Amino acid sequence: GAVVSQHPSRVICKSGTSVKIECRSLDFQATTMFWYRQFPKKSLMLMATSNEGSKATYEQGVEKDKFLINHASLTLSTLTVTSAHPEDSSFYICSAQLGTSGAYEQYFGPGTRLTVT
Amino acid sequence: KQEVTQIPAALSVPEGENLVLNCSFTDSAIYNLQWFRQDPGKGLTSLLLIQSSQREQTSGRLNASLDKSSGRSTLYIAASQPGDSATYLCAVTGANSKLTFGKGITLSVRP
Repeated sequence: GAVVSQHPSRVICKSGTSVKIECRSLDFQATTMFWYRQFPKKSLMLMATSNEGSKATYEQGVEKDKFLINHASLTLSTLTVTSAHPEDSSFYICSAQLGTSGAYEQYFGPGTRLTVT
Repeated sequence: KQEVTQIPAALSVPEGENLVLNCSFTDSAIYNLQWFRQDPGKGLTSLLLIQSSQREQTSGRLNASLDKSSGRSTLYIAASQPGDSATYLCAVTGANSKLTFGKGITLSVRP
């Protein structure tokens, strides 16, 4: 089956620093990758959609200058949380999809727990 | 805007019971519906995916049904076990190709 990895699985950083999270599709080429955020006891909220080689499309209310997304290859997307603050602490999950259509299944990574102190 | 609702938010049942988890969605223009399992502090495990043209899917003790016209899906778990304790999330892929998740149902199966 399709495998998606995320690194790191857990990160603690100080307020004001930047953190990069990697999402990799290990056994398939992902035309589209998605980034989600999950607050405690809440649903997953889509942050942005990225297509390889294109700029990411951000959902309403998500600051694109704060959450930098790069999808430089068909197997790697990165999310950089810039100038992190405690309110950015959350569980971040990526997913990868073979094509751009919603008919393709999204395969999810294991998530990254970010804690900003 | 698509909305996905899962009620109740939590459910506790004794081991061995058959149970049904419900999911409803407001926009029937979907590509597919998926059920996921999430253990505390962990990522998502895909359980079943039902394409919009399908009525149900089965995997082991799990059976998911889809009634697209009424905007409803159910996840049936047969002979529940303590290891089934987790949060179960329902999500639909809309015409915009985006997944919309429900808030999940936290299931506790008592030994």
